Formats: sequence, structure tokens, C-alpha cells
Amino acid sequence: GAGVSQSPSNKVTEKGKDVELRCDPISGHTALYWYRQSLGQGLEFLIYFQGNSAPDKSGLPSDRFSAERTGGSVSTLTIQRTQQEDSAVYLCASSFSSGEQYFGPGTRLTVT
Amino acid sequence: KNQVEQSPQSLIILEGKNCTLQCNYTVSPFSNLRWYKQDTGRGPVSLTIMTFSENTKSNGRYTATLDADTKQSSLHITASQLSDSASYICVVIPDSNYQLIWGAGTKLIIKP
Repeated sequence: GAGVSQSPSNKVTEKGKDVELRCDPISGHTALYWYRQSLGQGLEFLIYFQGNSAPDKSGLPSDRFSAERTGGSVSTLTIQRTQQEDSAVYLCASSFSSGEQYFGPGTRLTVT
Repeated sequence: KNQVEQSPQSLIILEGKNCTLQCNYTVSPFSNLRWYKQDTGRGPVSLTIMTFSENTKSNGRYTATLDADTKQSSLHITASQLSDSASYICVVIPDSNYQLIWGAGTKLIIKP
């Protein structure tokens, strides 16, 4: 079946603007994760959704970042009032429960 | 603080040669250790998964080893191919925790 998809693949935005990044997980996967990957750095955990449980938001770097998952499927990561340090690749992954995570291709965000 | 450190940061070898990538971690206790391959512009893809009781795991030309006493893992690539050019990331999953701890990766370049 189809893998994890993300859109857009690339996003260039001006500092101060809001952006929305979308993730379509693998059908049937109960868990969804958002990560941020800065150049030369390891992946940084942002947020975790599992079924109908309250999400683990402990990795969100500031209150400008938020995410939601509608209907237990599609997720949107929103960054408000973007800053240059937000520039990175944002990766989404999904899994059955806490099993093997399958990653999407990522969204490359550039804040100018 | 839980950390995963990888070496070398980057490596260039000729096609057909073997290479070994290193991973040292301080995560304890841990559930399992994984090696991922990440092609440029793509999400990470799992190569091997080892529990703390396993010493070695192979996947084709990739062989991972784990020494839980010294907290070291290695990924050996045999008879390298141009398609092996990618970043290889060591990931440790703490015991009973879905939050993966990612190394910064080793960037491997295979030259013809």
C-alpha cells in the first residue's frame, strides 16, 4: 500500500508568516510522529499522537508550534510567526502502536 | 543525559570497498537499537533492529553489531555500491519509551 506522504515537499516563507505542513500516515497506523531535522543534526522529536489519547507535545520547541490529527488519520503541523531558526526538514512518521516507524519524505521549510 | 554519538561524521570510499560506521550511546536501559539509511531528500528507512540481547543482525550487505556492555554498535557495509551513498543513522529506543534518540548520522559517499 501507499507509504507516508507529506506536503508540500518544499516551502519557502517570509519571517513572521504562518505555515501549515501536512502528513498523511499509512492507513491503519494508530501512531503518528512529527520530527524536525536541522542540517547536520539528529532528528528532534516534536509531537506524538497515539489513537484517541492526548498527544505528547513535550518536544514542541515553543508555543508557536502546534499540531492536530483529525479523525485519527491526517495530521497538520502549524508554525506561527515563523523565525529563521525554524528552517529545517520536518519529517512525519507513522506506526502500529509503538512499533516500527515508517517515515515520509519530509517537508523542507526555508524561512527567509 | 541520553546521547547517541556517531563516527565518523563523513566517509568517502571507493565502490566495492567495505566500511564500518560506529555508534556509541549512553542510553540506559534501552529497548532496542536501530540503524537507518536516509537518502538525500528522503525519510529514514530502517536497516536493522536489535534488542539488547542480540549481538549481530544482518540485512544483505549490511551487518550490525551490538555490545551492550561497552554500549557500542557498528554497521558494516560489504562490497559497497554507488546506491549506498546516504546518511546512516544510529537510533536507540529507551526502555518502554516511544521517543527515539537519534544520532546525527554518518554521511557516506561511494565513489566509482
